[in-house]
Amino acid sequence: RKEVEQDPGPFNVPEGATVAFNCTYSNSASQSFFWYRQDCRKEPKLLMSVYSSGNEDGRFTAQLNRASQYISLLIRDSKLSDSATYLCVVTLSGSARQLTFGSGTQLTVLP
Amino acid sequence: NAGVTQTPKFRILKIGQSMTLQCTQDMNHNYMYWYRQDPGMGLKLIYYSVGAGITDKGEVPNGYNVSRSTTEDFPLRLELAAPSQTSVYFCASSTDRGNHYGYTFGSGTRLTVV
Repeated sequence: RKEVEQDPGPFNVPEGATVAFNCTYSNSASQSFFWYRQDCRKEPKLLMSVYSSGNEDGRFTAQLNRASQYISLLIRDSKLSDSATYLCVVTLSGSARQLTFGSGTQLTVLP
Repeated sequence: NAGVTQTPKFRILKIGQSMTLQCTQDMNHNYMYWYRQDPGMGLKLIYYSVGAGITDKGEVPNGYNVSRSTTEDFPLRLELAAPSQTSVYFCASSTDRGNHYGYTFGSGTRLTVV
């Protein structure tokens, strides 16, 4: 079983649509949670951290359910510039902050 | 402020050749990492370091070696390159303080072994 599993995608949505990505993690000792964005042939960049209380950053909302070991990302009013691969990332407690990545979900926003 | 700098950006190696991927950071981060990313996959940790003189294996260390003689530099050595090492390699650094993590990735090295 993979440590971090994501929706396989790809997701192709029209501009203005709302899209949701899901992610599950297998290690209950996971401590910190993130969504990263990766553009084609580029390095990953932090989109947002994910907190148990849920958090929002503009059009992006992240949720964490520790009991179900489940993380989600909601994108509202999709823009063409949101087209990218979204990576679900977790870390373990006591680790040297090593990141464990999911395989990513590809999003294409269509005009 | 350059952040994390990786060289070279691209390289083609023949089977059995060796090379060193260079990584340097100017943020005075204690933590540094090497990840590889195969097509359609997430990143996997090869090696990491929590400070000068300290290195440890990650998930996929076989075929690689690292050293950390200074805070700034964390080179990755490939000995006897194999086609399975064809991948994109990312170096990263992180602060060891606070909850923000402050991860910064380099722009990557695309390696092809033929």
